Amino acid sequence: DADVTQTPRNRITKTGKRIMLECSQTKGHDRMYWYRQDPGLGLRLIYYSFDVKDINKGEISDGYSVSRQAQAKFSLSLESAIPNQTALYFCATSIPGLSDEQFFGPGTRLTVL
Amino acid sequence: AQSVTQLGSHVSVSEGALVLLRCNYSSSVPPYLFWYVQYPNQGLQLLLKYTTGATLVKGINGFEAEFKKSETSFHLTKPSAHMSDAAEYFCAVRRDDKIIFGKGTRLHILP
Repeated sequence: DADVTQTPRNRITKTGKRIMLECSQTKGHDRMYWYRQDPGLGLRLIYYSFDVKDINKGEISDGYSVSRQAQAKFSLSLESAIPNQTALYFCATSIPGLSDEQFFGPGTRLTVL
Repeated sequence: AQSVTQLGSHVSVSEGALVLLRCNYSSSVPPYLFWYVQYPNQGLQLLLKYTTGATLVKGINGFEAEFKKSETSFHLTKPSAHMSDAAEYFCAVRRDDKIIFGKGTRLHILP
């Protein structure tokens, strides 16, 4: 079984709809992250959480919100989806340490029409 | 502020040829550097990382990278490309407990 799972894997929605992307991990890591990937732009950090009570904005948090329901679960919400939020979204985990190596989920491809 | 620049958004090499993917970093302190690979329809996975110590770092699948402080570089190499190496490669640096990714280089392998 995968250590970091994301649901759904693919989603097509319409402008204005509320969307939730979910991430679960069995790695026991405290730190979790949400990124979006766009062609030619690499990965950009949306939100991150260093423990259940800690939520921080990344470089592109506008239009997104998150919830850390438990150590193992970190959800990303789009309150009112817009077409330029069409992207590939990745969840990742890490443990604090010398390098903070990150472990990625398989991604969610979101299309907003 | 720490960041990375990857030179070339697309690189093509023939099967069996040397693979060289370039990454330069900017950092005011000794950096922690990474290379990640993304195969089609998959998430990213770590190829290798530099934290401290030996400047030549060996990773998975025959890849290696050399940390050169004087050149602020961390280029990724592999002596002989395989078709299975076709993927997107990301250089990254640790900054303020977060990882900052480059924009990626897509590697194409020509038969």
